[in-house]
Amino acid sequence: DGGITQSPKYLFRKEGQNVTLSCEQNLNHDAMYWYRQDPGQGLRLIYYSQIVNDFQKGDIAEGYSVSREKKESFPLTVTSAQKNPTAFYLCASSITAGTNEKLFFGSGTQLSVL
Amino acid sequence: AQSVTQLGSHVSVSEGALVLLRCNYSSSVPPYLFWYVQYPNQGLQLLLKYTSAATLVKGINGFEAEFKKSETSFHLTKPSAHMSDAAEYFCAVSDRGTGNQFYFGTGTSLTVIP
Repeated sequence: DGGITQSPKYLFRKEGQNVTLSCEQNLNHDAMYWYRQDPGQGLRLIYYSQIVNDFQKGDIAEGYSVSREKKESFPLTVTSAQKNPTAFYLCASSITAGTNEKLFFGSGTQLSVL
Repeated sequence: AQSVTQLGSHVSVSEGALVLLRCNYSSSVPPYLFWYVQYPNQGLQLLLKYTSAATLVKGINGFEAEFKKSETSFHLTKPSAHMSDAAEYFCAVSDRGTGNQFYFGTGTSLTVIP
């Protein structure tokens, strides 16, 4: 089945540690996105990528980094500079980067701080 | 930048009753409009979207939404609620022009009372 796979489902970060969230898609989609979801705040865009080897900052990129070396993969690193990383992280993709496109979402990663 | 407002963070309806979830957007130029549903600990899935053409959009699971330009609204309705409709619902908008941002509302949690 085609879809988006996020791993791990749960992740714990220690102080000063960088952690990487995995996102893989086998839908052959050009565009990929990372969103952060906090209770009562909806989804906020962290980074997005329209095509391989290209990515753009979203509204809350500080303390995060991404790479897009392969079409199917868009990992997100939460660095130690992100002081409040506890949240539910959602990866999404769309066929193209057009703004009328449907977003396909993974099942999310819950990140917590130890 | 676009913004979207969802009135009512929590809505409760009885099983079989009408579901009405409200969404208003801020743009003077009609944007693309979407409704997504999220079940607990899962990603979002598209219910329906408005990109042009007909102002009444039908989606999955019996949901529909009507685009009203004069009211800058895109409210989601379902004639008869089912227990399986209990979930979080997000309205989202995106610009028709340049940019690749989808702007999400803060969500409405729907409870269905048996």
